[in-house]
Amino acid sequence: KAGVTQTPRYLIKTRGQQVTLSCSPISGHRSVSWYQQTPGQGLQFLFEYFSETQRNKGNFPGRFSGRQFSNSRSEMNVSTLELGDSALYLCASGMGLAGTTQETQYFGPGTRLLVL
Amino acid sequence: AQSVTQLDSQVPVFEEAPVELRCNYSSSVSVYLFWYVQYPNQGLQLLLKYLSGSTLVKGINGFEAEFNKSQTSFHLRKPSVHISDTAEYFCAVTEMDSSYKLIFGSGTRLLVRP
Repeated sequence: KAGVTQTPRYLIKTRGQQVTLSCSPISGHRSVSWYQQTPGQGLQFLFEYFSETQRNKGNFPGRFSGRQFSNSRSEMNVSTLELGDSALYLCASGMGLAGTTQETQYFGPGTRLLVL
Repeated sequence: AQSVTQLDSQVPVFEEAPVELRCNYSSSVSVYLFWYVQYPNQGLQLLLKYLSGSTLVKGINGFEAEFNKSQTSFHLRKPSVHISDTAEYFCAVTEMDSSYKLIFGSGTRLLVRP
């Protein structure tokens, strides 16, 4: 089985621009979560999608949004980029069965975003 | 609110020596516990997890961890480390509800020296 894939792997943007990151989960997985990793704040949860619905959200401003498609692929969008948005954005997928969190999340390699 | 504390930001150790990476958590409800490893320029890889049952959990690459409910700890151990174990290690928890939100510790960098 192919693992979680994220595109692009690297991205350079300037302040004020917007960016869209993509995540393809492992085949059969229905849950996709996004995390931001920075040296200062560590790994922080952004949001989680299951069956095209946002199921959980972290403490990030509204500039951060996401969506999930019927094939479970997910996109994350950041509008009006700020220097502080420079980070490694990690996507994780899981079976996401309702009512249980025993399913393991599998992480992709991440997209490294640099905002200049 | 749940939180995870990894007190050691960096742990240097010589090759073939034992190592313990510490993790403590706080939560008002029952949790699942995880250890992930991150090699340079890569994503996170699951080492092991505690869901229920035996408090001693064995994972990949010879790592194991012990869940201690009274001390709210989930320390990671390996009896003999290799150079290839040099990486960042993250402890994480998720609460036993329908949320898949993982709360991560700040990470511990394991540096294995020859």
